[in-house]
Amino acid sequence: EIVLTQSPATLSLSPGERATLSCRASQSVSNFLAWYQQKPGQAPRLLIYDASKRATGIPARFSGSGSGTDFTLTISRLEPEDFAIYYCLQRINWPPYTFGQGTKLEIK
Amino acid sequence: EMQLVESGGDLVQPGGSLRLSCAASGFPFSGYNMNWVRQAPGKGLEWLSSISGSSGTIYYADSVKGRFTISRDNAKNSLYLQMNSLRAEDTAVYFCVSQNYYDSSGLYYGWFDSWGQGTLVTVSS
Repeated sequence: EIVLTQSPATLSLSPGERATLSCRASQSVSNFLAWYQQKPGQAPRLLIYDASKRATGIPARFSGSGSGTDFTLTISRLEPEDFAIYYCLQRINWPPYTFGQGTKLEIK
Repeated sequence: EMQLVESGGDLVQPGGSLRLSCAASGFPFSGYNMNWVRQAPGKGLEWLSSISGSSGTIYYADSVKGRFTISRDNAKNSLYLQMNSLRAEDTAVYFCVSQNYYDSSGLYYGWFDSWGQGTLVTVSS
């Protein structure tokens, strides 16, 4: 089973700042990695797929990079609505599909 | 508009059973793999089970193998999760999820795209 480790667990930033979230895989997932955003009481929403492709309707301030075992989600300038929990997901080696444990992006 | 609506969540005693349902609309349900994903209170996401469009291929996470059964009825555009021998650690919100993402040029990618709103299962005496 591939384990995804996200860091940091919590990231405290202010609106307008740049956010950098990390996801590390226990073995290579090539580019079969996605990022999801989840707000309280809501279902997750697909932001980035295939490591770096923005999903339909996702603002350009969200970008993804990486391949193999190290991945990054970057939010260039934080908007108030971006404060949420972010999860990575791999689907190269399944079952099982595995999620990272999440990074909580909170307002400083 | 694609929509997934779960139902069937409830309070159940340890050792009990429950059947969750997911009603799909707005897309050709029979053509897509479907999944159940859960989230324990205050915790992260856990994939539980997948079923192919024809029901010919089914997978389970080790945590639920032998206790949970996924199924679908394409004529009714519905997905199900039969949960037996429930434990306190099964307490969670259960999401129905489809793998039906297409990019702007129409290319299909097998990512989890459409999610239901979730249904809460509480296992407690």
